[in-house]
Amino acid sequence: DQQVKQNSPSLSVQEGRISILNCDYTNSMFDYFLWYKKYPAEGPTFLISISSIKDKNEDGRFTVFLNKSAKHLSLHIVPSQPGDSAVYFCAASDSGGGADGLTFGKGTHLIIQP
Amino acid sequence: DTEVTQTPKHLVMGMTNKKSLKCEQHMGHRAMYWYKQKAKKPPELMFVYSYEKLSINESVPSRFSPECPNSSLLNLHLHALQPEDSALYLCASSQDRVKAFFGQGTRLTVV
Repeated sequence: DQQVKQNSPSLSVQEGRISILNCDYTNSMFDYFLWYKKYPAEGPTFLISISSIKDKNEDGRFTVFLNKSAKHLSLHIVPSQPGDSAVYFCAASDSGGGADGLTFGKGTHLIIQP
Repeated sequence: DTEVTQTPKHLVMGMTNKKSLKCEQHMGHRAMYWYKQKAKKPPELMFVYSYEKLSINESVPSRFSPECPNSSLLNLHLHALQPEDSALYLCASSQDRVKAFFGQGTRLTVV
């Protein structure tokens, strides 16, 4: 049973517009959430994270929103650029003494069109 | 230095071979991880080392054997693998159990 779900396998967005990637989770013990960007045959690159005590974190063009009651988070990229084309993974961690390591969603392939 | 370095980048091995994957980090992180990623799937946790001791083994077959010689190095010894073990093997490290830095991965093909 998937504990972290990214229900959109792919997303196509025009350059300059906002990209919104969504992620849902089921494990209420998760208290830290991360977004990673991945190019083919490379390791994931950390983008941005958010603790469960916050509902928003912003870093440049990237903003992550967390809705704990809905067990939902989203990554906003604005404006979208061609170099943003990659697979984006949502990941979650239970840092309160539960299983170490990250649980990943299946990823969303973001395609930025010129 | 914020890098996690993995060698080799690519590895082709036969089912009777013994090989090792290597991972190195010099960020002073106390936790190191091995993940396995198959095509079009998310990375899946295999092993976790915390302060050089194995803390988590996610029911990985014994043909995969991890080793942590010191706080900067992590190895994954491979023996008698199957073709279905072909995947991208990712090493990661972290200090605070949350944000992990990943290496570039080793693309393993078992023939």
